[in-house]
Amino acid sequence: EPEVTQTPSHQVTQMGQEVILRCVPISNHLYFYWYRQILGQKVEFLVSFYNNEISEKSEIFDDQFSVERPDGSNFTLKIRSTKLEDSAMYFCASSEALGNTIYFGEGSWLTVV
Amino acid sequence: ILNVEQSPQSLHVQEGDSTNFTCSFPSSNFYALHWYRWETAKSPEALFVMTLNGDEKKKGRISATLNTKEGYSYLYIKGSQPEDSATYLCAFLTGFQKLVFGTGTRLLVSP
Repeated sequence: EPEVTQTPSHQVTQMGQEVILRCVPISNHLYFYWYRQILGQKVEFLVSFYNNEISEKSEIFDDQFSVERPDGSNFTLKIRSTKLEDSAMYFCASSEALGNTIYFGEGSWLTVV
Repeated sequence: ILNVEQSPQSLHVQEGDSTNFTCSFPSSNFYALHWYRWETAKSPEALFVMTLNGDEKKKGRISATLNTKEGYSYLYIKGSQPEDSATYLCAFLTGFQKLVFGTGTRLLVSP
């Protein structure tokens, strides 16, 4: 069964460093998302992406965050200058169309020290 | 602020028991409700996408119902097995295509 894949599975980074989390969505999907879960809290929406542009973003998704689809398969989340509070599990997700099932990857666990 | 609540927070049952969980969500501006099953170190697995009031969906021993007028959905597991142990998440889909998640119900099924 097709799946969303994410790399790395775990990354430890120093505060202030840039981090890029990578995702390969399911190949025929057109809508892409990033979510995150801070330990002990709910899974929360960060951003949705369609047709090579951001379609929706949350207030968490400030200027430190950016997303990109650099080629036909990858979808990346960049955090420019990480803060301690960015430590979380980051999930990439994709869906074929609006209203369809949204499929999640296994997550990338980011620890900022 | 949209709020999605799930209860109970955790549940411990014996193999063979049937169980159910509740998801409460805003009853206005409803688009869809998603249910996921999430095992540790794995990706959340999509179970159901529910859109219509009165919807009832089934996948094996797991089924779900939806009441959009009163803002709740139930997830039922018939004859729980140890492999059903996981966190069950519900998520309310907003008009902006973002999922608002509940805190999840953590189920442990003992043999």
